Amino acid sequence: DAGITQSPRYKITETGRQVTLMCHQTWSHSYMFWYRQDLGHGLRLIYYSAAADITDKGEVPDGYVVSRSKTENFPLTLESATRSQTSVYFCASSGTGPNQPQHFGDGTRLSIL
Amino acid sequence: QKEVEQNSGPLSVPEGAIASLNCTYSDRGSQSFFWYRQYSGKSPELIMSIYSNGDKEDGRFTAQLNKASQYVSLLIRDSQPSDSATYLCAVNDGGSQGNLIFGKGTKLSVKP
Repeated sequence: DAGITQSPRYKITETGRQVTLMCHQTWSHSYMFWYRQDLGHGLRLIYYSAAADITDKGEVPDGYVVSRSKTENFPLTLESATRSQTSVYFCASSGTGPNQPQHFGDGTRLSIL
Repeated sequence: QKEVEQNSGPLSVPEGAIASLNCTYSDRGSQSFFWYRQYSGKSPELIMSIYSNGDKEDGRFTAQLNKASQYVSLLIRDSQPSDSATYLCAVNDGGSQGNLIFGKGTKLSVKP
């Protein structure tokens, strides 16, 4: 089925470890996004990408790294996880143009102990 | 700082009533407006989009846009307990193609 999938759905890790969250979409959308969602803060943009090999920082990029070597994949890496990065992470994608909505994956619930 | 403001709620309405959810935005360059529904523990799901001033109806949902007042609303007619969720207003960032600015959401509770 076409869509956007995230993996893993749940992840528990320890502070200082590197962890990578995966995002894959089958719509051939140009844009892809990573958000984190925390109580009281709503959705906050971490990084986004307008196309393969083009990425840009969002509102809260510190501590995160992204890459986009293929249009369909947009992995998010926490290089050295901290407890403050415990959150629910959503990947989204959208087509090109000003009127395009974003479509979200099911999310990854990440706990850092 | 571009902002989208929503009343956090909770907004409580009885079953069968009309629920009215409101949103204001700061970026006059915004051209597209969206409503997402998010059930607890789930991801945001697009339910309505609106691009022109006026009303847009889709089943029990009506989106209303007033660009002069920088105001977007969502009406849910004949509210059902299954409508209980958090509703997120999103507005395109007029200066950054592709980006949306999200409000923090209004929690709606429909009581049987």
